[in-house]
Amino acid sequence: DVKVTQSSRYLVKRTGEKVFLECVQDMDHENMFWYRQDPGLGLRLIYFSYDVKMKEKGDIPEGYSVSREKKERFSLILESASTNQTSMYLCASRPTGNNSPLHFGNGTRLTVT
Amino acid sequence: EDQVTQSPEALRLQEGESSSLNCSYTVSGLRGLFWYRQDPGKGPEFLFTLYSAGEEKEKERLKATLTKKESFLHITAPKPEDSATYLCAGFTGTYKYIFGTGTRLKVLA
Repeated sequence: DVKVTQSSRYLVKRTGEKVFLECVQDMDHENMFWYRQDPGLGLRLIYFSYDVKMKEKGDIPEGYSVSREKKERFSLILESASTNQTSMYLCASRPTGNNSPLHFGNGTRLTVT
Repeated sequence: EDQVTQSPEALRLQEGESSSLNCSYTVSGLRGLFWYRQDPGKGPEFLFTLYSAGEEKEKERLKATLTKKESFLHITAPKPEDSATYLCAGFTGTYKYIFGTGTRLKVLA
């Protein structure tokens, strides 16, 4: 079974702090994703990475950056956290080359005060 | 604009009372339709993939079907442990997954 692990289940940060969310997958998947999930808005794509050091902006990249230095690890960075970034953050991975489903981690609930 | 709409938003069923959840989509070049289950405070758990109209997939009390405009998740004789939010997502290729906002299912004992 695919395992996607997000390092923190809950985080509380202050406005203006730099925040790192970490995600690791153990299935050698090429593609990794970061979404945020908000009530009534569903899942929205922040960034996508199709290979090491490669990234693409999703639908809502503003205020975020990402890093993929190793195949198994994909980090989401909030350069200067703001209260409107309070959300559930979900990391996902999938193999490339076919119409595969995403496999999700258990999420990080981030609160910015 | 590509869109996925789920209905109802919330559904309460008695244990054993079968029902269906709807996922309607307007997605250009749909290449796959996925169903997920999400428990509170957790990430979505993959259930089914459907690739073409007429296709059906089953797992325990759940059956997913696909037409050219919508997908249904049928729940037969549900149990309280089936309570969760069910998400569907359309896939259009590359990295584009379009998620619905989910149906919150509550099954009462």
